[in-house]
Amino acid sequence: KQEVTQIPAALSVPEGENLVLNCSFTDSAIYNLQWFRQDPGKGLTSLLLIQSSQREQTSGRLNASLDKSSGRSTLYIAASQPGDSATYLCAVRPHNAGNMLTFGGGTRLMVKP
Amino acid sequence: GAVVSQHPSWVICKSGTSVKIECRSLDFQATTMFWYRQFPKQSLMLMATSNEGSKATYEQGVEKDKFLINHASLTLSTLTVTSAHPEDSSFYICSARDPGRDTEAFFGQGTRLTVV
Repeated sequence: KQEVTQIPAALSVPEGENLVLNCSFTDSAIYNLQWFRQDPGKGLTSLLLIQSSQREQTSGRLNASLDKSSGRSTLYIAASQPGDSATYLCAVRPHNAGNMLTFGGGTRLMVKP
Repeated sequence: GAVVSQHPSWVICKSGTSVKIECRSLDFQATTMFWYRQFPKQSLMLMATSNEGSKATYEQGVEKDKFLINHASLTLSTLTVTSAHPEDSSFYICSARDPGRDTEAFFGQGTRLTVV
């Protein structure tokens, strides 16, 4: 059974710092990995999607990498801003399933002005 | 991008009543939809997979008689929480699969259910 773990569970940084969020998964047979942002009481906003054949994806100040063989992904946020404060979730899609996702526990990020 | 709309965004109901949550794909036909539940400060857990025109597939530990799922059309799936109790209070969120964009998962806005 696939298990997804995110470290750290919570992170508080001053504005402007570059930071790295970590995601690990136990079964490397994945179809893709997706990073989401969730604001309190809200739904999910898709940030980046990495196919299993890709190594990284970039969008603005966000960069996500994928090392499928070691079961790891990182989300890099450059020059963090208070508006980045949210919970960040990574989720993997198994190779042999539909579009169901297995989620990590999330990292709650607080960027202080 | 594909849009998934969920309604209502929040609902408060009395213990023992039933609540229906709708999940609609607005600009694509969704052959498969997924229902997740999220307890406070926890991650999302898959409850069931909903396939258009057939019975839903429930995850282990999810009571199918309590959480009724209907996927009668290619754009609408509903989740009905029957005889709701306070422990059913949670954030429910649906995801729809766009066959034309099979790589990405699209999520609704979620529904905050509070049972008093």
